[in-house]
Amino acid sequence: AAGVIQSPRHLIKEKRETATLKCYPIPRHDTVYWYQQGPGQDPQFLISFYEKMQSDKGSIPDRFSAQQFSDYHSELNMSSLELGDSALYFCASSRPGGVETQYFGPGTRLLVL
Amino acid sequence: KNQVEQSPQSLIILEGKNCTLQCNYTVSPFSNLRWYKQDTGRGPVSLTIMTFSENTKSNGRYTATLDADTKQSSLHITASQLSDSASYICVVSGDDYKLSFGAGTTVTVRA
Repeated sequence: AAGVIQSPRHLIKEKRETATLKCYPIPRHDTVYWYQQGPGQDPQFLISFYEKMQSDKGSIPDRFSAQQFSDYHSELNMSSLELGDSALYFCASSRPGGVETQYFGPGTRLLVL
Repeated sequence: KNQVEQSPQSLIILEGKNCTLQCNYTVSPFSNLRWYKQDTGRGPVSLTIMTFSENTKSNGRYTATLDADTKQSSLHITASQLSDSASYICVVSGDDYKLSFGAGTTVTVRA
């Protein structure tokens, strides 16, 4: 079965650079969620989209922005990167409805030097 | 304050033995509770999802229970295998469908 695809899987950037993470949800899933998981920490919800509209916003820094495109894939844009942005960034997708299971992608590991 | 507390923080069990993980939550109102398995450096994989009206749900050797009155859940692993070594995360959703993650229990299965 198709799963959530994230790219790239690994990314190394320097401080003040920008990064773009991509997420391709499971086919027919139109809801996408972004999470940030720091080393040894719980995943923290960043932002979610439903039908290309932002549906919820969590602890996403102002330096980050995201959007969902017409094909339902989503991109997380991160600017002015800081050392503290080094983390595992997960994308999850689900069908409409809050009780639907969120299926997580493998994550993108971002290292900011 | 974290609204989802898990215990123990970690445990080590011998292959073939059973174990039970606990999850207490204060999220209110409550919508559903999920258990995820997360291997190191990989995305969480859903094991079970239960709404307030469900008391138990099984997925192979994993059985989750839910007591919505006491706001407690458990995940029981039967006949553990080496591949069960992972972090098990309890995730609770309120009626706004935001997810509150527990810190996880790290399970190590030894031969």
